[in-house]
Amino acid sequence: DTGVSQDPRHKITKRGQNVTFRCDPISEHNRLYWYRQTLGQGPEFLTYFQNEAQLEKSRLLSDRFSAERPKGSFSTLEIQRTEQGDSAMYLCASSPTGGIQETQYFGPGTRLLVL
Amino acid sequence: AQKVTQAQTEISVVEKEDVTLDCVYETRDTTYYLFWYKQPPSGELVFLIRRNSFDEQNEISGRYSWNFQKSTSSFNFTITASQVVDSAVYFCALSGNFGNEKLTFGTGTRLTIIP
Repeated sequence: DTGVSQDPRHKITKRGQNVTFRCDPISEHNRLYWYRQTLGQGPEFLTYFQNEAQLEKSRLLSDRFSAERPKGSFSTLEIQRTEQGDSAMYLCASSPTGGIQETQYFGPGTRLLVL
Repeated sequence: AQKVTQAQTEISVVEKEDVTLDCVYETRDTTYYLFWYKQPPSGELVFLIRRNSFDEQNEISGRYSWNFQKSTSSFNFTITASQVVDSAVYFCALSGNFGNEKLTFGTGTRLTIIP
């Protein structure tokens, strides 16, 4: 199996622009998670999907953030009207169906810099 | 609410020394899971181990060993005979049972192995 992949790996944008990130999970993994990691901190949960259903969203996920997983395979995370505070590493992880089999495997991340 | 504390922000040891990374957690769940991830400079989170709350046996994998003690809510990680390749940031993380699988991370411990 190939691992979790994310695209792009790096993104530099100007404040106010929209950006979209893509995550391709490990094949046959039902669960897909998004996390955000700022410098010197551990990753923080943003949202997750079970197949195409978005089951939970963190309060960190403001109205400017939207995530989709339309066919239960890859997922996109869009940030509208970016702000400098959005600068961070955005990490995607996937896992088999939750519970006792749950181990999340992470992708390489997308590093976003908002100027 | 779940919480993970990694009190050691940075540790430096000389190569071949043993080093222990501390992790203390808080949860109200009776069933939960503990993890350690390694984050090298490339940024990708690499899964190291998962431990279920009902299994307190310690585990050894090569130079790595983990000590899980429910009585003190700790899940410490020891590297024996450290090597330069062990230099990274190490994260301890906690998740709950089915329906609450999102990971709560500590702030990480930056480990530097000095040749």
